[in-house]
Amino acid sequence: KAGVTQTPRYLIKTRGQQVTLSCSPISGHRSVSWYQQTPGQGLQFLFEYFSETQRNKGNFPGRFSGRQFSNSRSEMNVSTLELGDSALYLCASSLGIAEVAAKETQYFGPGTRLLVL
Amino acid sequence: GENVEQHPSTLSVQEGDSAVIKCTYSDSASNYFPWYKQELGKGPQLIIDIRSNVGEKKDQRIAVTLNKTAKHFSLHITETQPEDSAVYFCAPYAGNMLTFGGGTRLMVKP
Repeated sequence: KAGVTQTPRYLIKTRGQQVTLSCSPISGHRSVSWYQQTPGQGLQFLFEYFSETQRNKGNFPGRFSGRQFSNSRSEMNVSTLELGDSALYLCASSLGIAEVAAKETQYFGPGTRLLVL
Repeated sequence: GENVEQHPSTLSVQEGDSAVIKCTYSDSASNYFPWYKQELGKGPQLIIDIRSNVGEKKDQRIAVTLNKTAKHFSLHITETQPEDSAVYFCAPYAGNMLTFGGGTRLMVKP
């Protein structure tokens, strides 16, 4: 069974631009969560999508948004990029049986490394 | 929100020795305690987890112990091997999310 895939793997943008990252979950998984990983702040939860709806949200500004499609694939968008948005963005999928993805085993993709110049 | 502290931040051991990483959390409502391993260039991978109704869980060379009264849980790796070299994260669950510790870089010297 194929794992979680994320595209692109690397991205360079400039301040003020916007970016869209894509995540394809493991087949049969209905929940997708997004995380930001930086050397300074570590791994932080952004949001979780289940059945095309945002089910849980972390403490990030509204510039960070996402969506999920009927096939469970998910995209994450960051608008008006700032230098501090440079990070590894990780996507994790889980079955979606529990009411919250964090209670289930989450399977992480390799991440998209975003550099904002 | 949950405050999570993980110690030590780096750990160097000789192959065959044991390694212990400790995670302290603040939210008494936390009830799920996973440990993740992240290798270079990869996303985190769940290696073991424990729920609040259990005090200890073991899977071959890896074990996790939980002390809910003291609000800490620990990862124990016995007979370490070079392939155990990675960054390890604790991530207690509370408030509908996992809150990750700062990570422990484990280096196993052959």
